[in-house]
Amino acid sequence: GEDVEQSLFLSVREGDSSVINCTYTDSSSTYLYWYKQEPGAGLQLLTYIFSNMDMKQDQRLTVLLNKKDKHLSLRIADTQTGDSAIYFCAERKGGATNKLIFGTGTLLAVQP
Amino acid sequence: DSGVTQTPKHLITATGQRVTLRCSPRSGDLSVYWYQQSLDQGLQFLIQYYNGEERAKGNILERFSAQQFPDLHSELNLSSLELGDSALYFCASSVSGIDTGELFFGEGSRLTVL
Repeated sequence: GEDVEQSLFLSVREGDSSVINCTYTDSSSTYLYWYKQEPGAGLQLLTYIFSNMDMKQDQRLTVLLNKKDKHLSLRIADTQTGDSAIYFCAERKGGATNKLIFGTGTLLAVQP
Repeated sequence: DSGVTQTPKHLITATGQRVTLRCSPRSGDLSVYWYQQSLDQGLQFLIQYYNGEERAKGNILERFSAQQFPDLHSELNLSSLELGDSALYFCASSVSGIDTGELFFGEGSRLTVL
């Protein structure tokens, strides 16, 4: 099927690291993405990783990709209350389309 | 601000009715995508248009249709509405199919069917 799976909820304390996990389905996916959705807003791209990479770091964000297990993770260092949002992973299907299949979303709650 | 504009932001209507949601993509973006977000189904891909032509189709009901016009704006038509169609409908745009694939999302149109 096309299900991209994520855990539903994660709660962390301000200043701690957050790790959000995702399992995707298509081993031929070329790009994998992390999007953030704040309350009442649309989705905003946080970062992406090309499928031939294992890791990508962008300031407080670290993306790890395990192609063998089709597992993607997003680590947020020094998590802030402003990071509270829903985080979606997405895979780009192969072929001549940018169609993205999104995960179920993980609600990150950051406690002060 | 993503540059993608969706109207209306909120819409309340009755079962059996028909509504049209409108999307203006970012300047220069040729592709438009429609997604439906609901509590039970998550974020579901509906349909994609590229430069006026349908490019990919997802879980779009037969009661729903879409099109992309020559000026590249797109409309999503929802007819014979049912209670279960209540959801947030997102439009997204991207340049083409050969780049990194980043989608830019609008703020969504929240449809409530009573």
